[in-house]
Amino acid sequence: AQSVTQLDSQVPVFEEAPVELRCNYSSSVSVYLFWYVQYPNQGLQLLLKYLSGSTLVESINGFEAEFNKSQTSFHLRKPSVHISDTAEYFCAVKRAGGFKTIFGAGTRLFVKA
Amino acid sequence: DAGITQSPRHKVTETGTPVTLRCHQTENHRYMYWYRQDPGHGLRLIHYSYGVKDTDKGEVSDGYSVSRSKTEDFLLTLESATSSQTSVYFCAISGVQKREGPNINTGELFFGEGSRLTVL
Repeated sequence: AQSVTQLDSQVPVFEEAPVELRCNYSSSVSVYLFWYVQYPNQGLQLLLKYLSGSTLVESINGFEAEFNKSQTSFHLRKPSVHISDTAEYFCAVKRAGGFKTIFGAGTRLFVKA
Repeated sequence: DAGITQSPRHKVTETGTPVTLRCHQTENHRYMYWYRQDPGHGLRLIHYSYGVKDTDKGEVSDGYSVSRSKTEDFLLTLESATSSQTSVYFCAISGVQKREGPNINTGELFFGEGSRLTVL
C-alpha cells in the first residue's frame, strides 16, 4: 500500500522569500505523484504532477517539484512566493495502474507581507 | 472547470438520522470518489467507483455506503449519522488522459466544491 508524509503542517514565510514544502512517499511499485492546492472555502485543484520522464515538473504559476526516487521524495518549491500563494497544499500518490489516490495530511502555507 | 456538482453544500443533522450526499458529473468520467477532509488528516478516501454499479471501499468506509446506478451520479449514504462523521465531504472524478500511445488513467482528480456536514 502507498502512503504519503508531509513533514510540515504549517509553513509561514515572508512575501518574495523562497519556500519548500516537503513530501515523502512510500511504495514498492511505480507511482504517479501529485501536488494539489486548496484555497480557502474551495475544493482542491491540481497544481502539478509527475507521471514519468523528466524528474522536474513545473506549474504555470512558478511552483516546481522534483521526483527523487532514491529518497522517495517529491518536494514542492517556489523561489519567490506571493501573498496569493497562501493556501493549503496536499501531496498525493497513486499506484500506476491503480484506482486510488492517497493524500498526505496537508501543509498550510501562510505568506506574510 | 470540470462539471461536478455536490448537493447539499451544507447540512446539519442529528445523530442517528440517515443522510445522503449526491455527486453529479457532466464529464462522462469513469472513476468517481468520495473523500472526507478533517484537520490533521488531509483527505481520506471513503469509497470509490470504477464504473456503473462497480464500487469498492477506501481507507475509512465504516458507516458509509455508496451507489452508482448511472455514470453521472455517485451517492454517499450515512445510514445512521454519528458525530464522528462531522466533516467536509468532497467528490472527485478522474478519467483517461488521451495522448499519443496507449491512453492511461493518470489519476488526476477533479474535485467538487465540497459538502459540509454537521452531526449534532
